[in-house]
Amino acid sequence: AQSVTQLDSQVPVFEEAPVELRCNYSSSVSVYLFWYVQYPNQGLQLLLKYLSGSTLVKGINGFEAEFNKSQTSFHLRKPSVHISDTAEYFCAVISMDSNYQLIWGAGTKLIIKP
Amino acid sequence: GAVVSQHPSRVICKSGTSVKIECRSLDFQATTMFWYRQFPKQSLMLMATSNEGSKATYEQGVEKDKFLINHASLTLSTLTVTSAHPEDSSFYICSAGRGGPSSYNEQFFGPGTRLTVL
Repeated sequence: AQSVTQLDSQVPVFEEAPVELRCNYSSSVSVYLFWYVQYPNQGLQLLLKYLSGSTLVKGINGFEAEFNKSQTSFHLRKPSVHISDTAEYFCAVISMDSNYQLIWGAGTKLIIKP
Repeated sequence: GAVVSQHPSRVICKSGTSVKIECRSLDFQATTMFWYRQFPKQSLMLMATSNEGSKATYEQGVEKDKFLINHASLTLSTLTVTSAHPEDSSFYICSAGRGGPSSYNEQFFGPGTRLTVL
């Protein structure tokens, strides 16, 4: 069965430092990849997505992610975080394996330290 | 574009009562709507998928008689939690998709509804 792994449940980082949130998936077929952000007590907002084309995807709020097919990864990065980036980040995958349903990672809580 | 609303944002009810949550796509027609449940500090759990005019498809382990889903139009789906109990307390999130269920279907998420059952 298809799965999405976010190895880090929490990532603490100082303000203005760079951050990488890791996401790995298992699928043998073509995938569509997503990162969503959830601020406290709110719904989900799409940060960025990879459907095809360039493997480096730029999203909102200065985030970007790189699709690495050989490593089945889609790590999220930001060169300099701000206190307002404090939130839960979810990686998700769609493929034929999942019957086109979103398969979610467990989430990574990004904690920004002043 | 692609805005999804949910109402109410918060609801507190007594045990044994039923609660209806509405999910609306405001600026597009949603052929498919999804209902998720999120437990504290956990990821989203898909409860069911509904297509306009047809019965919802429930995920394994989700009681269809307890969580009634109606997708009466291309812009509205409702989730009714019947005879709610404290264990039903959760954050319920809906999403709406423009594509069909068997193709890539980007989902646009509502802001969620916090249900607390006393």
